Amino acid sequence: EVQLVQSGAEVKKPGESLKISCKGSGYSFTSYWIGWVRQMPGKGLEWMGIIYPGDSDTRYSPSFQGQVTISADKSISTAYLQWSSLKASDTAMYYCARHMTDGHSSWYDYWGQGTLVTVSS
Amino acid sequence: QSVLTQPPSVSAAPGQKVTISCSGSSSNIGNNYVSWYQQLPGTAPKLLIYENNKRPSGIPDRFSGSKSGTSATLGITGLQTGDEADYYCGTWDSSLSAPYVFGTGTKVTVL
Repeated sequence: EVQLVQSGAEVKKPGESLKISCKGSGYSFTSYWIGWVRQMPGKGLEWMGIIYPGDSDTRYSPSFQGQVTISADKSISTAYLQWSSLKASDTAMYYCARHMTDGHSSWYDYWGQGTLVTVSS
Repeated sequence: QSVLTQPPSVSAAPGQKVTISCSGSSSNIGNNYVSWYQQLPGTAPKLLIYENNKRPSGIPDRFSGSKSGTSATLGITGLQTGDEADYYCGTWDSSLSAPYVFGTGTKVTVL
C-alpha cells in the first residue's frame, strides 16, 4: 500500500528555521516525483515545487523559488521542505503528494496527511 | 492568483447533478491533460479524475471528467451529502507562471 506520512504540526516564531518531512512507503521512492502543496487558512491549493528523489532534480514555482528548499534523502525514502527564516505569512497546511507524469499528463495520486505550520510571535 | 478559474460555489439537491468548470488557456489546459481533486472538510485532497476523464480505482462512476479546448468540466451525478467538499482542477502549465497549477477551487453544497 502506497503511503506518504508527514511529520507533525509545528509552532514557530518569525525568523526561526524549520524542516518538515514526508516519508514514502509501499512503492519505489526513487522512481516517482514528490510534490509539495501549500494551503493557507481558508484558501485554495498552491503548487510549490517537486523533487525527483532518484537524482534530486528539483523544480520550483516562481512564487516559492528562493523562499523554501525542497530536498530528499533516498536512503530513508523521505522528502523535505525547509525554511531558513519563517514569516507569519508561512502559516499554512503543507501537503506532500506523489506526482505522476507522462508526457503532457500529470497528476497527484497519493497525498500525505498534511503538516500544519503556525508561525506566530 | 491561479491561472485556472473555477466557480466559487455550486449547489444542488441530493440525487441531482452538478457540473464544475475549469477555465484556462492554451499554455495549460489547451495542451495538457487535466486532473480533479476532492477535498473533504479537514482532510487532504484526493484524486478523483486524471488524464481528463479517467477514474482511479475506487472512485465511483458518478464522477466524470471532460475537456474541450481550454476548459475542463467535472460532473457529479446522484449527488450525496458526502459529496459536500471543495473541488480543484489541476494541470501542467508551459508558461513561466508555474510548472503546475491548481484551479481556484469550487465548494459543492448539497441542499
